[in-house]
Amino acid sequence: QKEVEQNSGPLSVPEGAIASLNCTYSDRGSQSFFWYRQYSGKSPELIMFIYSNGDKEDGRFTAQLNKASQYVSLLIRDSQPSDSATYLCAVRSGGFKTIFGAGTRLFVKA
Amino acid sequence: GAVVSQHPSWVICKSGTSVKIECRSLDFQATTMFWYRQFPKQSLMLMATSNEGSKATYEQGVEKDKFLINHASLTLSTLTVTSAHPEDSSFYICSAPLGTGGGGYTFGSGTRLTVV
Repeated sequence: QKEVEQNSGPLSVPEGAIASLNCTYSDRGSQSFFWYRQYSGKSPELIMFIYSNGDKEDGRFTAQLNKASQYVSLLIRDSQPSDSATYLCAVRSGGFKTIFGAGTRLFVKA
Repeated sequence: GAVVSQHPSWVICKSGTSVKIECRSLDFQATTMFWYRQFPKQSLMLMATSNEGSKATYEQGVEKDKFLINHASLTLSTLTVTSAHPEDSSFYICSAPLGTGGGGYTFGSGTRLTVV
């Protein structure tokens, strides 16, 4: 059973702080890793994807991947109230099929 | 670019009726589309993969005779929930791969189905 695990939260951080979201996956053959943001009642939107071990930065967002530990994380710097949402980790092993985690709810307090 | 338009955004129907949900790729051709269902505070659960010009592939536990999928063109995939029951009430979302899929997916805006 391929699984993607996330802490459901809620994770609460003050405005301007760094929010750290974590995800583990069970399939060692996983190749592509994605972070999506989902506002309540809306569909997910892609924030970042990462394939290789290490860090990938895009603006205030940094994705980190450690395949040996089967761990992927998302850091959000200078968190804003508008970042408050559920963040979904998604993992693709092969072909197009992608497994989603249940998501972590993030609250950024003004 | 890479926009998927999904309609309707919400629908309320009576138990026993059928509901059709449409997803259109507006500025690209989608040979593959995925249909997900999401219950409150739960993850997206893949229901089926629709392939243009061929039969859809359903995930285990998803009734193909209840959830009819048609992908008749490169820009349109439809999901029909037949003989809907209250337990079918959920948020249904379609998605299409961006490029070859390596860059993630673009999602439709979702359809909130309520069966009364």
